[in-house]
Amino acid sequence: GDSVTQMEGPVTLSEEAFLTINCTYTATGYPSLFWYVQYPGEGLQLLLKATKADDKGSNKGFEATYRKETTSFHLEKGSVQVSDSAVYFCALRDSGYALNFGKGTSLLVTP
Amino acid sequence: NAGVTQTPKFQVLKTGQSMTLQCAQDMNHEYMSWYRQDPGMGLRLIHYSVGAGITDQGEVPNGYNVSRSTTEDFPLRLLSAAPSQTSVYFCASSYGGNNEQFFGPGTRLTVL
Repeated sequence: GDSVTQMEGPVTLSEEAFLTINCTYTATGYPSLFWYVQYPGEGLQLLLKATKADDKGSNKGFEATYRKETTSFHLEKGSVQVSDSAVYFCALRDSGYALNFGKGTSLLVTP
Repeated sequence: NAGVTQTPKFQVLKTGQSMTLQCAQDMNHEYMSWYRQDPGMGLRLIHYSVGAGITDQGEVPNGYNVSRSTTEDFPLRLLSAAPSQTSVYFCASSYGGNNEQFFGPGTRLTVL
């Protein structure tokens, strides 16, 4: 079945460092791919998405490109801030309504 | 708009007790769903609804019941709570199956 694998955390970075969180997927069809962010004590918020191969999703300085050849959707940001500290979830939706989530990667950015 | 609201925020139950987690949205969304979040497991879909009067099971439905009598509300019922149901529960809604899902703030449930 469909699945999402993302890198284990926690990831600790200094402010202004470059961020990459790896995400790979397995799907039988042509899924849409998402990154959600969960700030402490809150629900999940959609960060960005891509619906077809080679699409690039971007928001708040974060980017991810849908790579069908490597079945990947890695999240990147050029310069992280303390306020980016959160848990990041990669997810896919193949057919139907349900989202299939990865286990989440915790990011801590220190001043 | 209040968005997606959930009550209560925290709840402690004893094994065998029953309770209902409330979820409401004021965005006139057709689709609503319940997820549980466990450490190291991500979010897993419990039940979902594509409109009033229509519900279906997700990945982990056992031990939970749902109903959808109105567009706005989608309560989740635990008929006989078990320690394995200790988790954080999130409700989500979307306008259509392919659109962004909006999540509530969650309910942290502990079953002793």
